[in-house]
Amino acid sequence: GNSVTQMEGPVTLSEEAFLTINCTYTATGYPSLFWYVQYPGEGLQLLLKATKADDKGSNKGFEATYRKETTSFHLEKGSVQVSDSAVYFCALGDSNYQLIWGAGTKLIIKP
Amino acid sequence: IAGITQAPTSQILAAGRRMTLRCTQDMRHNAMYWYRQDLGLGLRLIHYSNTAGTTGKGEVPDGYSVSRANTDDFPLTLASAVPSQTSVYFCASSESWGRNYGYTFGSGTRLTVV
Repeated sequence: GNSVTQMEGPVTLSEEAFLTINCTYTATGYPSLFWYVQYPGEGLQLLLKATKADDKGSNKGFEATYRKETTSFHLEKGSVQVSDSAVYFCALGDSNYQLIWGAGTKLIIKP
Repeated sequence: IAGITQAPTSQILAAGRRMTLRCTQDMRHNAMYWYRQDLGLGLRLIHYSNTAGTTGKGEVPDGYSVSRANTDDFPLTLASAVPSQTSVYFCASSESWGRNYGYTFGSGTRLTVV
């Protein structure tokens, strides 16, 4: 069946460091891919998405490219801030119109 | 501010009691969802509705029921609460039923069943 695998956290970085959070997927057909962010005590927010191969989603300095050849959708940011500390979820929209969720990766940014 | 309103924010409930979690959206989104979030288990879909008047079962529907009488409201009812239903519950919506649509989430209801 369809699945999403994210790198385990927590990921701890210093402010201004480069961020990569890995996400790979298994799916039939042509899924859409999403990144959501959850700040402490809040609901999830859509961060970015890509709906077809080679699309790049971007928002708030974050970006991710839909790579069909490697079945990946890694999240990157060039220079992280303390305010980026949150849990990040990768998700896949499949042909059944359901969202398949990754387990989430906690990101901690130290000043 | 457009979005999803969930109520209550938190609740402590005695086991065996009935409880309805409220969810209202003002974006005229067609599809709505209920998730529970548990540490180590991630997000699990309880029930969904792809349009007013229709509902469907998600991954973990047992012990829960929903209704969708109109576009805006999607209440979740626990008929007889059990401790394993202690969780954070999130309501979400999307513009339509389809794989390309991102979800908007509410702020959640933290439920403790004792």
